[in-house]
Amino acid sequence: DAGITQSPRHKVTETGTPVTLRCHQTENHRYMYWYRQDPGHGLRLIHYSYGVKDTDKGEVSDGYSVSRSKTEDFLLTLESATSSQTSVYFCAISETETGRKITDTQYFGPGTRLTVL
Amino acid sequence: AQSVTQPDIHITVSEGASLELRCNYSYGATPYLFWYVQSPGQGLQLLLKYFSGDTLVQGIKGFEAEFKRSQSSFNLRKPSVHWSDAAEYFCAVAMNRDDKIIFGKGTRLHILP
Repeated sequence: DAGITQSPRHKVTETGTPVTLRCHQTENHRYMYWYRQDPGHGLRLIHYSYGVKDTDKGEVSDGYSVSRSKTEDFLLTLESATSSQTSVYFCAISETETGRKITDTQYFGPGTRLTVL
Repeated sequence: AQSVTQPDIHITVSEGASLELRCNYSYGATPYLFWYVQSPGQGLQLLLKYFSGDTLVQGIKGFEAEFKRSQSSFNLRKPSVHWSDAAEYFCAVAMNRDDKIIFGKGTRLHILP
């Protein structure tokens, strides 16, 4: 299994509070991704990173920001959490050779269940 | 924009029976196609992928999938399911090697003893 950890694994917070989720990898993969998973929607890409300090938006990026200051860490921040952001969040990584080979095999972390009350 | 459809939200099969999970995509050219499995409480694991070449792709855990261009389909099959195959299965598509992967909404597989 690829070395991907997510923290925390579970979190309950209140509307309006900031929340930061962390994804840590030990594989030295260039690409990292944040997805959210909701019933009936499958997985939807929030943001992704193609290198240190290089990030881009996915299909559901509103209300989320990301940062990647080191290869191994990719942080997802909800500046002011809302109930609509209650979800399970998955981090993924993929190895690349050159360029943006996003369709290389992705490895997923165990997920973080976030509840916003 | 490309999209991927999994027509079946739930499927129930008996242990030992054969399985076919359907996946259809909408895109003019040949896309890059994937099947992932998610066991309860776990992240996703890649079962197999198709980029080009032989249209019958073998994956892990005894699964295979067949790309049919004429039907815009990439159905997942297994000749004999095991109770441990109970999980949610996601089909995914990307237009090319530099594009994002779009996931279907998933099919939950239930296994009867």
